[in-house]
Amino acid sequence: DIVMSQSSLSVPVTPGEPASISCRSSQSLLKSNGNTHLNWYLQKPGQSPQLLIYLGSNRASGVPDRFSVSGSGTDFTLKISRVEAEDVGVYYCMQGLQTPHTFGQGTKLEIK
Amino acid sequence: QVHLRQSGPGLVKPSQTLSLTCAISGDSVSSDSVAWNWIRQSPSRGLEWLGRTYYMSKWNYHYAVSVQSRITISPDTSKNQFSLQLNSVTPEDTAVYYCARWGHTQYYFDYWGQGTLVTVSS
Repeated sequence: DIVMSQSSLSVPVTPGEPASISCRSSQSLLKSNGNTHLNWYLQKPGQSPQLLIYLGSNRASGVPDRFSVSGSGTDFTLKISRVEAEDVGVYYCMQGLQTPHTFGQGTKLEIK
Repeated sequence: QVHLRQSGPGLVKPSQTLSLTCAISGDSVSSDSVAWNWIRQSPSRGLEWLGRTYYMSKWNYHYAVSVQSRITISPDTSKNQFSLQLNSVTPEDTAVYYCARWGHTQYYFDYWGQGTLVTVSS
């Protein structure tokens, strides 16, 4: 199984400041067709996870351009250019390369 | 717009069977472009994919190794829904269970059910 690791359990951020959340996979998520099978989800309190980023760096419908992803292969970083109060929740990276699909343990974004 | 509505009991006794249903609107359980999944979430195990079913010339089933001896995912075409059965449950199976849709060409879970907290306790 591919192991997904998120190095930080919690990231405290001041509104208006940037934030970064790291994710590492135990093997490359780059497929031969050029797609990177990494997705990011945000789970707000009391809600189901919602898709933020798919196939490496593509924002899902309705996701503001404050969200971006850098990295490749096995190391990735989700970046929020200017954190807003509505961004609080737990962020998960997930690999879609193969089953079983596996998730990182989550990083909680907290407002200072 | 796709909507997944989960139903089932929130309390199951140890050694019994956990049963949940996910009713689909806005898509078909028989669609050949998506797969229908069950995922659970607990403090100890995080988000854990349990298995999926999908139709592509025939019905296909894939299960996580951790539960494969105890799990059955079944489509019901007459009601446009799919179900999860997990046998011989223990307190370690206590979790929030989600159903979710996966696109074969999109490669992500795009729609999720509302989640069902299932507690295994006598």
